[in-house]
Amino acid sequence: DVKVTQSSRYLVKRTGEKVFLECVQDMDHENMFWYRQDPGLGLRLIYFSYDVKMKEKGDIPEGYSVSREKKERFSLILESASTNQTSMYLCASIRGTGGSDTIYFGEGSWLTVV
Amino acid sequence: AQSVSQHNHHVILSEAASLELGCNYSYGGTVNLFWYVQYPGQHLQLLLKYFSGDPLVKGIKGFEAEFIKSKFSFNLRKPSVQWSDTAEYFCAVNRYSSASKIIFGSGTRLSIRP
Repeated sequence: DVKVTQSSRYLVKRTGEKVFLECVQDMDHENMFWYRQDPGLGLRLIYFSYDVKMKEKGDIPEGYSVSREKKERFSLILESASTNQTSMYLCASIRGTGGSDTIYFGEGSWLTVV
Repeated sequence: AQSVSQHNHHVILSEAASLELGCNYSYGGTVNLFWYVQYPGQHLQLLLKYFSGDPLVKGIKGFEAEFIKSKFSFNLRKPSVQWSDTAEYFCAVNRYSSASKIIFGSGTRLSIRP
């Protein structure tokens, strides 16, 4: 089975802090995602990476950046956390690049910014 | 704008009741359709998907969904729910060939009374 692991499940950070969310997948997938999940809004794509060092902005990239130095690892960075970034963050990976391919998700990282 | 609508935000049923969760999307042409499920404390996982062929798709755990192109719908059904079906259900649609273009609905929380 594909495993997508998010190292931090629950974090509490202060406004203005720099926050790193780490994600590792073990199936050699080329494509990885970071989503944000909020009640009533579903999942919104923050960033997508289709290869090492390659990235594409999603629907809500403002206030976030990403890093993909190795194929298996995709990091989400909040340069200066703000309270409106309190949310559940989901990392995901996908085997292919097609529109019908299945996305595999991690368990999520609950971030609270105070 | 492209959109995916899940009109039921919270559904409460008793065990053995039949289930139908609605999903509508707002654009024509070729689409790939998905239902993902998130059980409490677990990662999002694929329940079923449609990308071509028979519009009645069967998924895991006795779920099925029917693609009705004329109604732009992909409703999820199960004839008899169990307490273990308590979860949040997300419909998703992708009209493009890139996995990064998938759009998720806002989710439906399903609560099953024992």
